[in-house]
Amino acid sequence: NAGVMQNPRHLVRRRGQEARLRCSPMKGHSHVYWYRQLPEEGLKFMVYLQKENIIDESGMPKERFSAEFPKEGPSILRIQQVVRGDSAAYFCASSTQVFYGYTFGSGTRLTVV
Amino acid sequence: AQKITQTQPGMFVQEKEAVTLDCTYDTSDPSYGLFWYKQPSSGEMIFLIYQGSYDQQNATEGRYSLNFQKARKSANLVISASQLGDSAMYFCAMREPQGAQKLVFGQGTRLTINP
Repeated sequence: NAGVMQNPRHLVRRRGQEARLRCSPMKGHSHVYWYRQLPEEGLKFMVYLQKENIIDESGMPKERFSAEFPKEGPSILRIQQVVRGDSAAYFCASSTQVFYGYTFGSGTRLTVV
Repeated sequence: AQKITQTQPGMFVQEKEAVTLDCTYDTSDPSYGLFWYKQPSSGEMIFLIYQGSYDQQNATEGRYSLNFQKARKSANLVISASQLGDSAMYFCAMREPQGAQKLVFGQGTRLTINP
């Protein structure tokens, strides 16, 4: 039973390019969460999704960031026109409907050059 | 205001000693959950232990235990008989009471185990 799968593990983008981060939840998990970790900091909540629905996006920057969790396929976190300040580790987590905590993926390390 | 406070940026402990990592939290909701995660240098987030606010007993998982003092709003992680592999960042987190299943994380404590 595979865990939460994130890809790519490392992503390098030039300023102004788009970054697409993918997350496949654990089998049987219908809830997906995205978190961002800046260097030497704790994780900060970005967005919570269920299939085809954004439930809570209170942590998402207002511009350039979007997330989706389609009926089929992985959840995608999309960052348009990346800037150096977007460099961070982005973690995806999943859970069942009954929340006792998450299973995290291994993260995607985004570097903007 | 910080909801989760970890006051120890770094700790150095001798192998085989016990270590306590501090965590205090702030909430007015009577129902909440507290979590500890380990992040080794490889970067993944590993769940260690969970304590619910209504749990009567302190949580334990192998060498990990949680010293839960509700009145003081503290949830310290205790690692017994530390090992070199325990060297990592440790994060305390709280389930956001008002929100939809999201966690609020502390800044973390970097634990180094010396041989």
